[in-house]
Amino acid sequence: GQNIDQPTEMTATEGAIVQINCTYQTSGFNGLFWYQQHAGEAPTFLSYNVLDGLEEKGRFSSFLSRSKGYSYLLLKELQMKDSASYLCAGSNGNTGKLIFGQGTTLQVKP
Amino acid sequence: DAEITQSPRHKITETGRQVTLACHQTWNHNNMFWYRQDLGHGLRLIHYSYGVQDTNKGEVSDGYSVSRSNTEDLPLTLESAASSQTSVYFCASSEGTIAKNIQYFGAGTRLSVL
Repeated sequence: GQNIDQPTEMTATEGAIVQINCTYQTSGFNGLFWYQQHAGEAPTFLSYNVLDGLEEKGRFSSFLSRSKGYSYLLLKELQMKDSASYLCAGSNGNTGKLIFGQGTTLQVKP
Repeated sequence: DAEITQSPRHKITETGRQVTLACHQTWNHNNMFWYRQDLGHGLRLIHYSYGVQDTNKGEVSDGYSVSRSNTEDLPLTLESAASSQTSVYFCASSEGTIAKNIQYFGAGTRLSVL
């Protein structure tokens, strides 16, 4: 089967750290993507993990555990502009297709 | 700069009409995808293509068709628009390699079927 689960909404405070979790079950799994989508805009690529471990990119980090079917996106030093939806997507290496979760809407408050 | 563009950005139509949404990319990507995005459902795949003359059905393909006559374009046609097809439609493209197959998205088309 193919399924991606992530929380629907999260709230955090400016300057804080927030972790957005994602569990997946994807046929032919070949990596886990995170996208950011501001309201009314297109999704934009944030990160990609194919091996277990943490990938750090500035204030954003993404973690993958293939054995547990689990990933998280870590946002540090939150800024108001980080208020957006964060989409988790599993990649099927056989087809090149992405299976998206419903997205987590993050609200950053002052 | 290479990009992916969708047109129109907004469209209002009536039930039963045929509607075509355009998608054009200048990256020379092999793979192109059409998604719809609705509250509570996230992005759902409608159709996709791995190259010229190749098209495949996604998970929500009923009522939609695509054609790929060149590398740059993948137009999406709603044969007879229905109110259930009111949605935001995103086109995406990717290079075609298996590893790190990042999809890049257009700005979207907001379609209302009245």
